[in-house]
Amino acid sequence: EDKVVQSPLSLVVHEGDTVTLNCSYEVTNFRSLLWYKQEKKAPTFLFMLTSSGIEKKSGRLSSILDKKELFSILNITATQTGDSAVYLCDPLGIGNKLVFGAGTILRVKS
Amino acid sequence: SAVISQKPSRDICQRGTSLTIQCQVDSQVTMMFWYRQQPGQSLTLIATANQGSEATYESGFVIDKFPISRPNLTFSTLTVSNMSPEDSSIYLCSALIPPGPAYEQYFGPGTRLTVT
Repeated sequence: EDKVVQSPLSLVVHEGDTVTLNCSYEVTNFRSLLWYKQEKKAPTFLFMLTSSGIEKKSGRLSSILDKKELFSILNITATQTGDSAVYLCDPLGIGNKLVFGAGTILRVKS
Repeated sequence: SAVISQKPSRDICQRGTSLTIQCQVDSQVTMMFWYRQQPGQSLTLIATANQGSEATYESGFVIDKFPISRPNLTFSTLTVSNMSPEDSSIYLCSALIPPGPAYEQYFGPGTRLTVT
């Protein structure tokens, strides 16, 4: 059965801190892994990772995939209060069906 | 990228009634999905809606309760039938947008449903 485990489940940091969010997965016929940020209702797309070892960056956010260890991390540097959200890790596998993890709740205090 | 809209954005419904949620994509897509997100929980896939075929439901979800239509490549509806308070949730549609060999999934803004 496909599964995704994200850690930590929740995290409280101060502005300016750096955080690392973890995602381990087991998915049949893995194709890619997607990271989303969910603030209110709909998740917004952050990254799509397909190849191992190639870091993707967008401003203060970066992410990398390890297909051998079935693992991905999302880094956020110099955190801001606007980074407070739920971060979802979602491997895309057979049938193009996403398997959502429970998410990591990040709260950034000013 | 893609723009996905949903209607209604929120609704309050009485027990025993039905609500149909519409999802519109601004480009043609083959695969669309319907999710439910209950309070404090992550997203749960209800069904996959491919144009030209019957929707495929996940374990725990049935067509009689959540009938889905997919009349063309840009539109889908989800009906929540015979509602109970347990159906109170956010319902999200999404679409896989193929820019190339891999896929990205984009979400609609969601429909917040409250059943009284």
